[in-house]
Amino acid sequence: GQSLEQPSEVTAVEGAIVQINCTYQTSGFYGLSWYQQHDGGAPTFLSYNALDGLEETGRFSSFLSRSDSYGYLLLQELQMKDSASYFCAVRKANAGKSTFGDGTTLTVKP
Amino acid sequence: KAGVTQTPRYLIKTRGQQVTLSCSPISGHRSVSWYQQTPGQGLQFLFEYFSETQRNKGNFPGRFSGRQFSNSRSEMNVSTLELGDSALYLCASSYRGEANEKLFFGSGTQLSVL
Repeated sequence: GQSLEQPSEVTAVEGAIVQINCTYQTSGFYGLSWYQQHDGGAPTFLSYNALDGLEETGRFSSFLSRSDSYGYLLLQELQMKDSASYFCAVRKANAGKSTFGDGTTLTVKP
Repeated sequence: KAGVTQTPRYLIKTRGQQVTLSCSPISGHRSVSWYQQTPGQGLQFLFEYFSETQRNKGNFPGRFSGRQFSNSRSEMNVSTLELGDSALYLCASSYRGEANEKLFFGSGTQLSVL
């Protein structure tokens, strides 16, 4: 089976940097994705890592270490609109399902 | 290009009833997957369809079923509703459902079972 662990809540102030960690246990791992979901909204894709290393997209970066079964999402220059839930998800090769973590609720304070 | 459309947006049913939810994927996407989301929990995978065939199924009872039509639109059905079925049901589409493809989610159907 597959399981992912991420912190349930994180709080930070506007302009700061926050890191949301995700550890996973899975077989046949293919890649780690991150999604953002605002209250009442649809999850939206943020980033995907198939290989070890850092992927940067604007203020957001995502990191993966396959040997450590660990990844993180880094959010820089936090804005109030970044307050949302963030989910990590793993995909297995040739499988049309993603397994999601329980989500991390990020609260950005002024 | 229109996004993933789910209907209805809200639904209230009573125990024992059945319900059908609809999902129209992004044009050209052939993979549709369904997820159940309850407060404070992640998304639980229900099933995935590709070209009218169910390719993957999650650990849900047989009361949960689905299908996909030739135009890639998908429906999921829940029979004999239980209180615990109250949740947000999300569908997601992608081009082929391959591991490196990002999922595009609809806004979901909020189902309340009374």
